[in-house]
Amino acid sequence: QKEVEQNSGPLSVPEGAIASLNCTYSDRGSQSFFWYRQYSGKSPELIMFIYSNGDKEDGRFTAQLNKASQYVSLLIRDSQPSDSATYLCAVNIVSGGYNKLIFGAGTRLAVHP
Amino acid sequence: GAVVSQHPSRVICKSGTSVKIECRSLDFQATTMFWYRQFPKQSLMLMATSNEGSKATYEQGVEKDKFLINHASLTLSTLTVTSAHPEDSSFYICSAVAGADTQYFGPGTRLTVL
Repeated sequence: QKEVEQNSGPLSVPEGAIASLNCTYSDRGSQSFFWYRQYSGKSPELIMFIYSNGDKEDGRFTAQLNKASQYVSLLIRDSQPSDSATYLCAVNIVSGGYNKLIFGAGTRLAVHP
Repeated sequence: GAVVSQHPSRVICKSGTSVKIECRSLDFQATTMFWYRQFPKQSLMLMATSNEGSKATYEQGVEKDKFLINHASLTLSTLTVTSAHPEDSSFYICSAVAGADTQYFGPGTRLTVL
């Protein structure tokens, strides 16, 4: 069973702080990793994807990947109340000849003013 | 780019009726689309993989005769919930693959079966 684990939270951070969201996965063969943001009642929105070990930065977001440790994280700098949402970690696997995503249960982030 | 639409956004129907949900990739072609279901306060559950021109691949436990999927073109996949019952009430979300494996999600369809 391929798994993706996230702390459900809530993770509460003050406005302006760095929010750190973590994710571990079980399939060592996974090559693609994604972070999605989901507001309550809405569908997921892609934030970032990362394929290579190390850091990838996009604006206030930084994704970090460590394949040896099977660990991927998302840092949000200068957190804003509008960042309050559930963050879903997703890992691509190949099953039955098709690519598909395995999602974690999500971490709820609350940014308070 | 990579915009995915769904229609309808919300539907209420009576028990026993069938409901069709459309998923369209608006600015790209998608060989593969996915259908998910999400119950309140739970994560996404993959229902099936929809491939253009071939039969859908269903996840374990998903009834293929109840959830009919048709991927007739590179920009359109449909999900039909047949003989819907109250337990089918959920948030149904499609996604379309752009590039190698990046999924972009539609806005979702909230189905309520009375």
